[in-house]
Amino acid sequence: EAQVTQNPRYLITVTGKKLTVTCSQNMNHEYMSWYRQDPGLGLRQIYYSMNVEVTDKGDVPEGYKVSRKEKRNFPLILESPSPNQTSLYFCASSLRGARLVTDTQYFGPGTRLTVL
Amino acid sequence: AQTVTQSQPEMSVQEAETVTLSCTYDTSESDYYLFWYKQPPSRQMILVIRQEAYKQQNATENRFSVNFQKAAKSFSLKISDSQLGDAAMYFCAYRRANTGNQFYFGTGTSLTVIP
Repeated sequence: EAQVTQNPRYLITVTGKKLTVTCSQNMNHEYMSWYRQDPGLGLRQIYYSMNVEVTDKGDVPEGYKVSRKEKRNFPLILESPSPNQTSLYFCASSLRGARLVTDTQYFGPGTRLTVL
Repeated sequence: AQTVTQSQPEMSVQEAETVTLSCTYDTSESDYYLFWYKQPPSRQMILVIRQEAYKQQNATENRFSVNFQKAAKSFSLKISDSQLGDAAMYFCAYRRANTGNQFYFGTGTSLTVIP
């Protein structure tokens, strides 16, 4: 089954304790992204990647890191989480190529992060 | 940066009736993509419909259709014959066509379907 998986689905942590949220897709997609969703703000893109070792900042990259060492994986790293990073996080992937009919973004199930 | 505006935080519709959700966007680019995503209480993001800016014809997907007005930078979603399962948060999104993978989302419209 084609899917994007995220782990963990729920996480409660404390300020300053480094954490990683994993994201994996099994569709051989080149493009991957991380978003955060906050009430009244919609989804905001944190980072995106266009291929292995190619990443770029989205709208709200401060306080986050990413890496893309393998095509299928795109982990999100919070080196020193703070309470304002409490949010719902989504990973997404899509095929490369703006003109392809299949250029559809597939989302993971979301990770609910609480930073105390 | 591009901005996407959804001016209706909440909407409601009677079952079997038609509802239109509004979306406007601001861009200086001529080539881009527009999307409507649905997020039910399960939080899963589901693509509803997609429109390429270079196409003049409005996209349709079964009961869902869009009214794409490029000059006005407007992209509304019409849901016909509304069903209880259509109740969800709906997000409008913009994607740049030729550079990278940047997406911009609106703040969402919460749709309630009244039986």
